[in-house]
Amino acid sequence: ELKVEQNPLFLSMQEEKNYTIYCNYSTTSDRLYWYRQDPGKSLESLFVLLSNGAVKQEGRLMASLDTKARLSTLHITAAVHDLSATYFCAVDTESGTYKYIFGTGTRLKVLA
Amino acid sequence: NAGVTQTPKFRILKIGQSMTLQCAQDMNHNYMYWYRQDPGMGLKLIYYSVGAGITDKGEVPNGYNVSRSTTEDFPLRLELAAPSQTSVYFCASRDGSNYGYTFGSGTRLTVV
Repeated sequence: ELKVEQNPLFLSMQEEKNYTIYCNYSTTSDRLYWYRQDPGKSLESLFVLLSNGAVKQEGRLMASLDTKARLSTLHITAAVHDLSATYFCAVDTESGTYKYIFGTGTRLKVLA
Repeated sequence: NAGVTQTPKFRILKIGQSMTLQCAQDMNHNYMYWYRQDPGMGLKLIYYSVGAGITDKGEVPNGYNVSRSTTEDFPLRLELAAPSQTSVYFCASRDGSNYGYTFGSGTRLTVV
């Protein structure tokens, strides 16, 4: 059974600090996605990672993918309150169907 | 573009009632998906479709049915609602490019 695990599940951090969220998955895949979800809202696409070694950056967030280690990271640099949300990674499991398996989510709270 | 439209946004059902959650997209996407998100959890795939007339089960299909008579619409039917179906339901779609899913705004369903 394919599993996608994120850690930590909860993260409370101070503004201006750096931190990393980890996404481990248990099957071969070279397509991984990061989403942000605000409370009571839908999911917003952050990053699309489509090959080993892919790195994408947007503002204070940077995502990377290591398909050999089956690991993706979401790095937060100099956190600000506006980044408080839940972050999900999702692994694309099958070519031709594009079914995603989602991680459990990391609830991030940035304290002012 | 409207993107992915889900209706209703909120619904309360009594045990044993049935209902249909509507999902429509105007992006001519072939691939459509229904996920459910239980409180504090990630998303679980209920059903998916790779094109009009083609549907298949995901991880948690029991208690649900779908149809896909047109490219645009992908309704989810709940028969004999149970409290375990209390959840937020998200519809998503994508094409065959690398941009990933577009999500609808969700339907919050409570079964009492």
